[in-house]
Amino acid sequence: GENVEQHPSTLSVQEGDSAVIKCTYSDSASNYFPWYKQELGKRPQLIIDIRSNVGEKKDQRIAVTLNKTAKHFSLHITETQPEDSAVYFCATSEPKTSYDKVIFGPGTSLSVIP
Amino acid sequence: SAVISQKPSRDICQRGTSLTIQCQVDSQVTMMFWYRQQPGQSLTLIATANQGSEATYESGFVIDKFPISRPNLTFSTLTVSNMSPEDSSIYLCSVELGRDYEQYFGPGTRLTVT
Repeated sequence: GENVEQHPSTLSVQEGDSAVIKCTYSDSASNYFPWYKQELGKRPQLIIDIRSNVGEKKDQRIAVTLNKTAKHFSLHITETQPEDSAVYFCATSEPKTSYDKVIFGPGTSLSVIP
Repeated sequence: SAVISQKPSRDICQRGTSLTIQCQVDSQVTMMFWYRQQPGQSLTLIATANQGSEATYESGFVIDKFPISRPNLTFSTLTVSNMSPEDSSIYLCSVELGRDYEQYFGPGTRLTVT
């Protein structure tokens, strides 16, 4: 089955700097790559996603890039703010007959230092 | 988007007992998913619940331990049976929504087994 790796496991940046989190996956059939943000004690929130027919997607300060050939994708956060501090999970989909089974990476704990 | 609620939000249970967790969505959805998130860990899919059919369980999870009901398109329950301290975890439901069937999560149920 699908294996999702995520690096780094922890990341600390100064406010205003950029943060980059990278993920790799194993199943070449995966075609959907969401990113979730989970603040302490809260539910995971979908912040951005990308499908395999697109190489890059941007939404204000966050962007995701996808390299299907190399089977890796990355989350980029620019101009980081203290409220960006959270655990970020990348995920991929394992296509099934009637739904996509989402497989989560181990997570990256991001700390933004004021 | 949709409003996804779970009951209870937290519970402390004695080993050997069972707890049923409810997930309610304010719109009709085809697929509902149940995840487990152990402290400081990522999300692991327990099973997928499609209305009108038996739930599909992931490797390592069995129906006798985690029976699931899906009586209609807005509601599902997960029961954690014959609990042990190892079942202490956060249990989250999620649903597929939107044009691209993105997954959104309920607030979670924090279970502690003593």
